[in-house]
Amino acid sequence: DIVMTQSPDSLAVSLGERATINCRSSQSILFSSNSKNYLAWYQQKPGQPPKLLISWASTRESGVPDRFSGSGSGTDFTLTISSLQAEDVAFYYCHQYFRSPQTFGQGTKVEVK
Amino acid sequence: QVQFVQSGAEVRKPGASVKISCQASGYTFTSYAIHWVRQAPGRRLEWMGWIDAGNGKTGYSHKFQGRVTITRDTSASTVYLDVNSLRSEDTALYYCARDRSGRGFLDHWGHGTLVTVSS
Repeated sequence: DIVMTQSPDSLAVSLGERATINCRSSQSILFSSNSKNYLAWYQQKPGQPPKLLISWASTRESGVPDRFSGSGSGTDFTLTISSLQAEDVAFYYCHQYFRSPQTFGQGTKVEVK
Repeated sequence: QVQFVQSGAEVRKPGASVKISCQASGYTFTSYAIHWVRQAPGRRLEWMGWIDAGNGKTGYSHKFQGRVTITRDTSASTVYLDVNSLRSEDTALYYCARDRSGRGFLDHWGHGTLVTVSS
């Protein structure tokens, strides 16, 4: 199975500051035939299901604020919140859908400092 | 708008089975796959399997192969997850979610069904 490892497990960022979450896959999730990275990012708030933020490593979902961005390729990926807002406090998960079984990172808790 | 209504919480004893449902609305049910993902307390999200709501084709995580069955009823726009031989480690919140692309990322999720396995 592809193991997804996020870092850090938690981070506290001041409002308006940048938050960066990393995700590493145990093998490449870049499909050479279409040059797509099969990686998604989700946000999960307490008592709610995950919400899709980004697919294909960097494609933001409609309606997701542009302060959220995804980058990376191959095995190393990053989710960046450029200016943290109070409503961004949540857990964030990366997810590879390159190979079955699909797998998720352990999650990163983002809090306000 | 796309919505999923999942069945209510269940309590089962070890060794029993449970069948939970996920009714879809707001889109053409047979045009998308539905996946099941679970989240046990304090653990990461865990993918269980999927079903193509159009042709009924399924795929499962090897971890659950033989213990989990996913089916659908197109007339009711509903997908079902059947888990047998339950054990305490199966206590979790079970989510259904839609696969928009056909490749696996999940754009809309149900609110989850809590399954508790306890003697």
